[in-house]
Amino acid sequence: AQTVTQSQPEMSVQEAETVTLSCTYDTSESDYYLFWYKQPPSRQMILVIRQEAYKQQNATENRFSVNFQKAAKSFSLKISDSQLGDAAMYFCAYRRGSLSGGGADGLTFGKGTHLIIQP
Amino acid sequence: DTEVTQTPKHLVMGMTNKKSLKCEQHMGHRAMYWYKQKAKKPPELMFVYSYEKLSINESVPSRFSPECPNSSLLNLHLHALQPEDSALYLCASSQDRYGIGSGNTIYFGEGSWLTVV
Repeated sequence: AQTVTQSQPEMSVQEAETVTLSCTYDTSESDYYLFWYKQPPSRQMILVIRQEAYKQQNATENRFSVNFQKAAKSFSLKISDSQLGDAAMYFCAYRRGSLSGGGADGLTFGKGTHLIIQP
Repeated sequence: DTEVTQTPKHLVMGMTNKKSLKCEQHMGHRAMYWYKQKAKKPPELMFVYSYEKLSINESVPSRFSPECPNSSLLNLHLHALQPEDSALYLCASSQDRYGIGSGNTIYFGEGSWLTVV
């Protein structure tokens, strides 16, 4: 079974600074996808960024980028120029790909990291 | 803005009531999901529908009864719930069961807050 570990229950960063949230995962499968979701106080789960395991290039979405280390099974999220609106719970999530026999299995989530932005 | 719409946003029900949560998406997705989320915890998968058929039931008690009337709609019927069932219920969808690339992304609605009294 897959597991996702987020070892930082809470992180704090000054506005405009850079912060990195860590995530490790464990899987024996070769085809999978990794995601970072953001859940602000409104509790809506918002997709931040997605990484396909077969892609070596790290995904980037504006101020958000990942450091995907496949051999180390590490998938960290870097937020640059932090803004007050970035304050939220961030969940790292794993999903099997179709070549691993996956489908609508849903997501395996980590326990989340609560990100605080200091003005 | 989310393209997965959930109603109602808030629901308070007694333990003997029967109520339903509704979810709708118009992205042409063929897989739909129900998740339950308790405070300060990650979401837990409850049910998965693929092409309007129930494909996964994560050992959810029978007091929760899902229904997928068509490819755009997903309901969760609630009956004889317990106070510990109070939680945020998230509906989600994805392109299809064996999505490739962006089709593998699961998109969530804003959730329905359920309180059982």
